[in-house]
Amino acid sequence: SAVISQKPSRDICQRGTSLTIQCQVDSQVTMMFWYRQQPGQSLTLIATANQGSEATYESGFVIDKFPISRPNLTFSTLTVSNMSPEDSSIYLCSVEVGGGAFFGQGTRLTVV
Amino acid sequence: KNEVEQSPQNLTAQEGEFITINCSYSVGISALHWLQQHPGGGIVSLFMLSSGKKKHGRLIATINIQEKHSSLHITASHPRDSAVYICAVSPPTSGSRLTFGEGTQLTVNP
Repeated sequence: SAVISQKPSRDICQRGTSLTIQCQVDSQVTMMFWYRQQPGQSLTLIATANQGSEATYESGFVIDKFPISRPNLTFSTLTVSNMSPEDSSIYLCSVEVGGGAFFGQGTRLTVV
Repeated sequence: KNEVEQSPQNLTAQEGEFITINCSYSVGISALHWLQQHPGGGIVSLFMLSSGKKKHGRLIATINIQEKHSSLHITASHPRDSAVYICAVSPPTSGSRLTFGEGTQLTVNP
């Protein structure tokens, strides 16, 4: 199994600013996944973060808007840049260990 | 058509009732996951299935690989079971991303 500590749990931010979300895993994992969940919708994958290489972004998501760092095998950050109200969502990090999927507690972001 | 479909989208039950949530998928999978999301947003993994049936407390999950269908059952439901239940599938390629269903909002009234 894996335990993921994600922070902040929630934040209210002004439009035009940036927020960095952190995830710390209690074991070493090759890939970490970052998801967005817009209100009333299911999870959408933003990008896959690999240690030692650039993140792989899904269609519709770009590095300038969602830069990701992966400095080691237990930690990753996702930054939501130049925020607008449309970025108001829950953001989650996830890892897969032993075939199981494990998630952080989520960051509920509101942009005003 | 979504690759993973859940039904119902919303479910309201009285405390003590037996609850079933269904998940159908149209792609090849290596495993199917049932997840629980509480209002705060955090997600907890309930089950990972590749065949048969698993039980944990009042929760039971089954999967039929031939029919590409899974069910999550809750026996003796309780208000604390109120949450969104999400079905997700892992593709055959290891390390690849999950594909999620839309989720089922369950409300259990006392």
